[in-house]
Amino acid sequence: GAGVSQSPSNKVTEKGKDVELRCDPISGHTALYWYRQSLGQGLEFLIYFQGNSAPDKSGLPSDRFSAERTGGSVSTLTIQRTQQEDSAVYLCASSLGAGRSGNTIYFGEGSWLTVV
Amino acid sequence: SQKIEQNSEALNIQEGKTATLTCNYTNYSPAYLQWYRQDPGRGPVFLLLIRENEKEKRKERLKVTFDTTLKQSLFHITASQPADSATYLCARMDSSYKLIFGSGTRLLVRP
Repeated sequence: GAGVSQSPSNKVTEKGKDVELRCDPISGHTALYWYRQSLGQGLEFLIYFQGNSAPDKSGLPSDRFSAERTGGSVSTLTIQRTQQEDSAVYLCASSLGAGRSGNTIYFGEGSWLTVV
Repeated sequence: SQKIEQNSEALNIQEGKTATLTCNYTNYSPAYLQWYRQDPGRGPVFLLLIRENEKEKRKERLKVTFDTTLKQSLFHITASQPADSATYLCARMDSSYKLIFGSGTRLLVRP
């Protein structure tokens, strides 16, 4: 597609339920990122995929969070047993590559998650 | 630790003036810095990238400087307009090639 696509755009879930957030990156982009942004806060890095390399999971806040990227394209971020503090906007981004070349990152519009 | 810091206080200026936002980094030397704009409820949008060997980069009314001695990047918007009101984010790439963002500075341009 023309841009990074995320779904759902809004999700309200009950505490304790699992949620899946989907990201469809720009075609041909090998790098894919997930960030989290709480209300009025900055972007918190979660996980980064680059080509066929092992993902950088160093930003995942707990083992309730996981992500996968199938076929080098679509990615799914899964949050198990959601807690109220998980409420935030989850932003996905992609870029042509990474490294010292300074590739521009393109963001989706985010998935707004509210845990009640 | 490798930090990237932006002024958390909002910047409030009069239309037509130049807005200057600051991004400071410590304990490392980034190959480049990027600046993004974020409007409420939207994802960030890339504006400019400046490399360590570049002193200045311009795009229309935007100008970014990179001072490796001061470990600082300045982001300027000249002839500011109310439509420039947004949060501006500075970002650096870390040693494992992922982009790390500052907390952003909110700019409000009064008509």
